[in-house]
Amino acid sequence: SQTIHQWPATLVQPVGSPLSLECTVEGTSNPNLYWYRQAAGRGLQLLFYSVGIGQISSEVPQNLSASRPQDRQFILSSKKLLLSDSGFYLCAWSPTMNTEAFFGQGTRLTVV
Amino acid sequence: AQKVTQAQTEISVVEKEDVTLDCVYETRDTTYYLFWYKQPPSGELVFLIRRNSFDEQNEISGRYSWNFQKSTSSFNFTITASQVVDSAVYFCAIPNQAGTALIFGKGTTLSVSS
Repeated sequence: SQTIHQWPATLVQPVGSPLSLECTVEGTSNPNLYWYRQAAGRGLQLLFYSVGIGQISSEVPQNLSASRPQDRQFILSSKKLLLSDSGFYLCAWSPTMNTEAFFGQGTRLTVV
Repeated sequence: AQKVTQAQTEISVVEKEDVTLDCVYETRDTTYYLFWYKQPPSGELVFLIRRNSFDEQNEISGRYSWNFQKSTSSFNFTITASQVVDSAVYFCAIPNQAGTALIFGKGTTLSVSS
């Protein structure tokens, strides 16, 4: 069966520090991969998605970037965090287009 | 552009009451899928259902049922005899125009008290 791992679960980082969140999927190949952000009391905002290695689509211009160095690995990064980057970050995967996505447990990021 | 509207921000009910969560969508596609997710306090999103626009029959799964009406662009979710464990944020979603990612509504927070 397929599983998705996302870490860390919580993170407190100072303003201006770098960020690296990692997500890996097991039990499937060539998944579509996603990063979403959920600000406090708000809905889910799609940040990035990837349909293959090295293929990244950005949905919202921001202080963040994403990379997919391996088929089942998706990384969310920032060189310098802003206070507004605080939120709940969720990684997800889907087997193909127009199908349900399966989510990791999320990372709660607080920038102080 | 694809859009999902969940007009109800918060709903509070007492256990055993029935509750309906509304979802209205916009799409230019003639065929499409719709989804519902549950986000319990732990934070992880749990997939509940995917529905194809071809099929307008109501779907029932235990205490959960979904009413899809293409004529009104709605995909409402009803929980019958609600329980405290149903307390969560519920999201409705539709694929983006390219079908490559899900676009979510802002969610409805359901609180069920005993």
